[in-house]
Amino acid sequence: GESVGLHLPTLSVQEGDNSIINCAYSNSASDYFIWYKQESGKGPQFIIDIRSNMDKRQGQRVTVLLNKTVKHLSLQIAATQPGDSAVYFCAENIYGNNRLAFGKGNQVVVIP
Amino acid sequence: DAGVTQSPTHLIKTRGQQVTLRCSPKSGHDTVSWYQQALGQGPQFIFQYYEEEERQRGNFPDRFSGHQFPNYSSELNVNALLLGDSALYLCASSTLDYTDTQYFGPGTRLTVL
Repeated sequence: GESVGLHLPTLSVQEGDNSIINCAYSNSASDYFIWYKQESGKGPQFIIDIRSNMDKRQGQRVTVLLNKTVKHLSLQIAATQPGDSAVYFCAENIYGNNRLAFGKGNQVVVIP
Repeated sequence: DAGVTQSPTHLIKTRGQQVTLRCSPKSGHDTVSWYQQALGQGPQFIFQYYEEEERQRGNFPDRFSGHQFPNYSSELNVNALLLGDSALYLCASSTLDYTDTQYFGPGTRLTVL
């Protein structure tokens, strides 16, 4: 499939290590945030979400941290696996708007 | 598998032509949103349909139009195609609740020559 990661910031990580992907969002009125994973040739796949009344949320091997003061979001992936190689997007959703505004994306390359 | 289907998978058109893309949402979802993703970029919101009406729209020209059918499936139409319309077109389905997860289909890759 075609690459979705051309000219994107790239994080190379050794298999088994932890990965941290950062995202700055733009709208202080945004109150719902989502991380998506997009593999080559596929549509974005939901990973985890967080509401603005939370600072941290954990899923299976993933943790999202939200810092509203500096409008910053991060995704931590524990024990990164080859299947985690993809482009990761953060998206923000403004209350009542139900439309997603995506960030630029970060490519993660897992080295076996 | 998110349960959202799109057709066709790939499409090649020439400048000035018109194109129709199709989307079937996940079972239980009544809201369909369309996004355009240029190569190397994040998806950009085009518009959203609910109850067969366009509920909100992003910053796209009127050449982009859509439709939603009673079974919640949706079409995206683009008239007078430009080279810059070449992109991956993604459909996302959800309920109207803004905190409900939007599930994306695999997309339609449109190439305009």
